[in-house]
Amino acid sequence: SAVISQKPSRDICQRGTSLTIQCQVDSQVTMMFWYRQQPGQSLTLIATANQGSEATYESGFVIDKFPISRPNLTFSTLTVSNMSPEDSSIYLCSVRRGSEEQYFGPGTRLTVT
Amino acid sequence: AQSVTQLGSHVSVSEGALVLLRCNYSSSVPPYLFWYVQYPNQGLQLLLKYTSAATLVKGINGFEAEFKKSETSFHLTKPSAHMSDAAEYFCAVVSGGYNKLIFGAGTRLAVHP
Repeated sequence: SAVISQKPSRDICQRGTSLTIQCQVDSQVTMMFWYRQQPGQSLTLIATANQGSEATYESGFVIDKFPISRPNLTFSTLTVSNMSPEDSSIYLCSVRRGSEEQYFGPGTRLTVT
Repeated sequence: AQSVTQLGSHVSVSEGALVLLRCNYSSSVPPYLFWYVQYPNQGLQLLLKYTSAATLVKGINGFEAEFKKSETSFHLTKPSAHMSDAAEYFCAVVSGGYNKLIFGAGTRLAVHP
């Protein structure tokens, strides 16, 4: 398994501001992912973040809005930029071990007012 | 394109009754299939996985799922529900060579006395 921590666990932000979410894993992993879970919804993949390369974004998500850093094999950040109330969601970091199991962090609950 | 469909957004059972949560997949190649559980205000926990080995997969907390290729299904079952099983359950798929974990819409399980 993998132990994943996220900071902050929750935040309330004003519209127009930005928030950076940190994800720390207890051991090195190649593949890291960021997901969004809007209220009452399922998880939607935002981007795949592999160390040493640019993040790959899914349709509907752009780097200017959700810049991602992956400086090493145990850490990544996701920034939610120029926030609006529609960005209120839970943001989850996820890692994959090998080709199979994928593990999730506890999530960051973001409310934009 | 790969996808999963979960039939029934809400399922309610009595404590001690059989739990059956339905998941059908769509994949052009043999898939890897997963069930995750999300307790209120928590991240996702892996319940079980199918990775082309045994078709009947046993997971944690007494849950199991059976992969049926002829029916393109991977339904989750538990013989006897417990109050602590109340949560959101997500079916997810990764197709071979396609590295993205794609989630179904989720099924909220309620367990009543």
